[in-house]
Amino acid sequence: EAQVTQNPRYLITVTGKKLTVTCSQNMNHEYMSWYRQDPGLGLRQIYYSMNVEVTDKGDVPEGYKVSRKEKRNFPLILESPSPNQTSLYFCASRGTRSGNTIYFGEGSWLTVV
Amino acid sequence: SQQGEEDPQALSIQEGENATMNCSYKTSINNLQWYRQNSGRGLVHLILIRSNEREKHSGRLRVTLDTSKKSSSLLITASRAADTASYFCATGPNQGAQKLVFGQGTRLTINP
Repeated sequence: EAQVTQNPRYLITVTGKKLTVTCSQNMNHEYMSWYRQDPGLGLRQIYYSMNVEVTDKGDVPEGYKVSRKEKRNFPLILESPSPNQTSLYFCASRGTRSGNTIYFGEGSWLTVV
Repeated sequence: SQQGEEDPQALSIQEGENATMNCSYKTSINNLQWYRQNSGRGLVHLILIRSNEREKHSGRLRVTLDTSKKSSSLLITASRAADTASYFCATGPNQGAQKLVFGQGTRLTINP
């Protein structure tokens, strides 16, 4: 089954404690990205990657890092989380054969206290 | 910045009625997509309409696009309780801008 898998789905952490949200897709897609969703602000892109070892900033990259060492994985790293990073995070992927259709993961609820 | 703006923000109708949601956008587009999001879940792609298309159907969904007015509408016919969700329009990805730009969404509630 084609899917984008994120982990963890739910996490409560403390300010400053580094964390990583993993994302994996099994569709051999070249393009992957991370979004955050906040009330009143909708979905905003954090980072994206066009292919292995190619990443670029989205609209709200501050406080986040990403890496793309393998085609299927695109982890989101919060080196020093802060409360304003409390949000619902979505990983997404798209392949050249899927046209412009983007596939989303189920989301990761992150709370930073 | 938000490209699409959905209207209304919230819509509540009776099961069996039709639901219409509108989306306006600001810049030129190659295509426009509609997504559904059940509460707290991921977004599910519903339908994509290209800039050279005016109308598209998929099951109970009908999407229209008016590029002169920079607007699109999503019609769900014969609504069901399972249609209760938030619906988002999104534009992109466009050349050089590899992202979808989402509106705020319409929260649709279908009352049994």
